[in-house]
Amino acid sequence: GAGVSQSPSNKVTEKGKDVELRCDPISGHTALYWYRQSLGQGLEFLIYFQGNSAPDKSGLPSDRFSAERTGGSVSTLTIQRTQQEDSAVYLCASSLEPTGSAGELFFGEGSRLTVL
Amino acid sequence: GENVEQHPSTLSVQEGDSAVIKCTYSDSASNYFPWYKQELGKRPQLIIDIRSNVGEKKDQRIAVTLNKTAKHFSLHITETQPEDSAVYFCAALDSWGKLQFGAGTQVVVTP
Repeated sequence: GAGVSQSPSNKVTEKGKDVELRCDPISGHTALYWYRQSLGQGLEFLIYFQGNSAPDKSGLPSDRFSAERTGGSVSTLTIQRTQQEDSAVYLCASSLEPTGSAGELFFGEGSRLTVL
Repeated sequence: GENVEQHPSTLSVQEGDSAVIKCTYSDSASNYFPWYKQELGKRPQLIIDIRSNVGEKKDQRIAVTLNKTAKHFSLHITETQPEDSAVYFCAALDSWGKLQFGAGTQVVVTP
């Protein structure tokens, strides 16, 4: 596609439910990143992928969070047993350059998660 | 890991004046420093970046300076216009390959 695509754009869920957020990066981009942005806050690094592997998962807030990437393309961020503090915008970005190299990140529109 | 601090958190300037945002980083191995602009309700977009072998870079009304010794870098916007109003994020690429962002600066340009 022309840009990074994320779905759903908006998700309202009840506390305790599981949610899946999807990211479709720009075609050919090998690096993929997930960030979390709470209301009026900065960009909190969660995880990045180079191809299908995630060299560093230390940014994931808890073991309720997991992410995978298949085929070097689409990535899914899963949050199990959601809590109210998980409410935020989850941003995905991709880059043509490998992780660890200097390259522009292209962000998606984000998935706004609200946990009631 | 890398720690990026950004100041100020909010900045109000008169149209036509200059705006300066400052960031410090902790990982001396960091070698790439981009700046992203996020307009209200939109995604962050790269506006300028600088690599560690350069001390200054300019693109029209925007310039970035880097002091590797002091581990700080700054964004300068001259002749500010209302469309410059946005949140600006600095970032540093740390030695682990992660791009760590600062907390952001809300810039408001008043006519």
